[in-house]
Amino acid sequence: GEDVEQSLFLSVREGDSSVINCTYTDSSSTYLYWYKQEPGAGLQLLTYIFSNMDMKQDQRLTVLLNKKDKHLSLRIADTQTGDSAIYFCAETPWATNKLIFGTGTLLAVQP
Amino acid sequence: AAGVIQSPRHLIKEKRETATLKCYPIPRHDTVYWYQQGPGQDPQFLISFYEKMQSDKGSIPDRFSAQQFSDYHSELNMSSLELGDSALYFCASSLVGTSGGLKTQYFGPGTRLLVL
Repeated sequence: GEDVEQSLFLSVREGDSSVINCTYTDSSSTYLYWYKQEPGAGLQLLTYIFSNMDMKQDQRLTVLLNKKDKHLSLRIADTQTGDSAIYFCAETPWATNKLIFGTGTLLAVQP
Repeated sequence: AAGVIQSPRHLIKEKRETATLKCYPIPRHDTVYWYQQGPGQDPQFLISFYEKMQSDKGSIPDRFSAQQFSDYHSELNMSSLELGDSALYFCASSLVGTSGGLKTQYFGPGTRLLVL
């Protein structure tokens, strides 16, 4: 299947950590991605993880992958108001290059 | 660095009209992808082209067609437009090549189509 699920909303206070979760169903995906979309704007690649990795850290971003449970998470440390956006996880199923996006999580950061 | 260019950025059409969206990939990228994002929805893959040949097809209506030209730019042609075609249309490009590995897709700013 190609269903990628995310929780719809997350609200945090500035300076807190945010954790956005994603559940996917296609275990053949080689890479999993996190994209950020600000209102009315395009999709910005934040980070990605290879399927044989458990964790990847990139400055304030930490990606955790639990391949057994098909669960992906994005942790944003020291969340800022500029992090307010919609976050999409995405996968590329085996033998294709198309991206299958999750339903998106709206992150609201309160000052 | 050069990014993906899409034109026009905004387009207003009436029902049953046609529309053509253009995409100029990042230089030296060989693959172009088209996605449709409806209001409050996640982007849905429509179609992709690798070296001017269709490489993958998603949920693209029969009323839509696309192609990639010799200069690697791509056009999405939409006919008999319906109200439900109102959406943000993204183009992305990547360097796929002939080997495996990561093939990051870089997205353009999108074309916002409104069908009245």
